[in-house]
Amino acid sequence: EAGVAQSPRYKIIEKRQSVAFWCNPISGHATLYWYQQILGQGPKLLIQFQNNGVVDDSQLPKDRFSAERLKGVDSTLKIQPAKLEDSAVYLCASSLAAREKLFFGSGTQLSVL
Amino acid sequence: RKEVEQDPGPFNVPEGATVAFNCTYSNSASQSFFWYRQDCRKEPKLLMSVYSSGNEDGRFTAQLNRASQYISLLIRDSKLSDSATYLCVLIRSNDYKLSFGAGTTVTVRA
Repeated sequence: EAGVAQSPRYKIIEKRQSVAFWCNPISGHATLYWYQQILGQGPKLLIQFQNNGVVDDSQLPKDRFSAERLKGVDSTLKIQPAKLEDSAVYLCASSLAAREKLFFGSGTQLSVL
Repeated sequence: RKEVEQDPGPFNVPEGATVAFNCTYSNSASQSFFWYRQDCRKEPKLLMSVYSSGNEDGRFTAQLNRASQYISLLIRDSKLSDSATYLCVLIRSNDYKLSFGAGTTVTVRA
């Protein structure tokens, strides 16, 4: 069974530039999550989608972060403009439904210089 | 108070030892519980779900104590490959919000 696909694997940008991450969840998974994980910390939820609707984006810095899941399948997360403190691993996860266990992609390691 | 709290460790144990650690939670509406394992610079991977009656998977035993609001993970006969960070995850029953702990680091030495 194919897992959660994410790209790119690594990204290095300068502050104030923009960047986009892509995620393709496991087929049939209705719920999709984007997490930010800073080294030494647990994952922090940025946004949760149920199909193509947003369930929770309370911790998304909306002045610079945006995400969409237009057709209820794959999703993109964008940062514009990036700040130094955005350096982290961005993890995408999916689950069959909101109360089910999560499966993670391999993440995108972002370095903002 | 954080919704989910874990002892960050590290727990340094010799091969073959038993190690156990807890994860406490503050919201009594928490319904589902999981342990995830995260290796250095890798994504979290599901280790096991935690059931009310407790459950085992090989050398791993998970327990849930609703009265005291914590879950635990016990690893018997530790292997070098068990070295990782163990994240607890809970899902609230009222809104299905999912919360991660910050993780407990376990290092098994030869």
